[in-house]
Amino acid sequence: AQSVTQLDSQVPVFEEAPVELRCNYSSSVSVYLFWYVQYPNQGLQLLLKYLSGSTLVESINGFEAEFNKSQTSFHLRKPSVHISDTAEYFCAVITPASGGYQKVTFGIGTKLQVIP
Amino acid sequence: NAGVTQTPKFQVLKTGQSMTLQCAQDMNHEYMSWYRQDPGMGLRLIHYSVGAGITDQGEVPNGYNVSRSTTEDFPLRLLSAAPSQTSVYFCASRRDPSTYGYTFGSGTRLTVV
Repeated sequence: AQSVTQLDSQVPVFEEAPVELRCNYSSSVSVYLFWYVQYPNQGLQLLLKYLSGSTLVESINGFEAEFNKSQTSFHLRKPSVHISDTAEYFCAVITPASGGYQKVTFGIGTKLQVIP
Repeated sequence: NAGVTQTPKFQVLKTGQSMTLQCAQDMNHEYMSWYRQDPGMGLRLIHYSVGAGITDQGEVPNGYNVSRSTTEDFPLRLLSAAPSQTSVYFCASRRDPSTYGYTFGSGTRLTVV
């Protein structure tokens, strides 16, 4: 069985400061990893994903995440946050398989609050 | 605009009432899912479908029914609403394979009194 742990339920950070949102996963097989963002009163949007290859993946709005197999982590980082980054961020894991339905497991979410 | 459309956005029900949450997607995605989002619990899978005519239960299916008569539509029915079903409900779809992430609807905020 797979699981996802987001240890920080809330992360306050000042505008233009760096931030790291932590995500650890547990799985006995290889996985795909995703970060989703949820802005207030909206649905989740895919931010970035790791499938294979380069362990560092980037999004179009300056976020990046690094897959670390030995530490089973997929932390999300941004070097300088903006007010508009205030949102809830969800880490998710899926076990790839050929055909059929693969269950996605979501973390409980981390609320990023950017302080002016 | 292409995407996942959910209706209604808000709903208040009395205990024991039934209702259907609508979900439609126009991306020809095979997979569709219903999640509920509760504070401190993240997203929990209610039901899912891998194609028209095929549905299955997720983690928390009790009290909910689904059907998938077309690729586009995946309605969620609450049979007899209970206060424990107060939540925000999200419909999501994706194409195969699992390398594709989900596209989510904007949600339905349901309150059962």
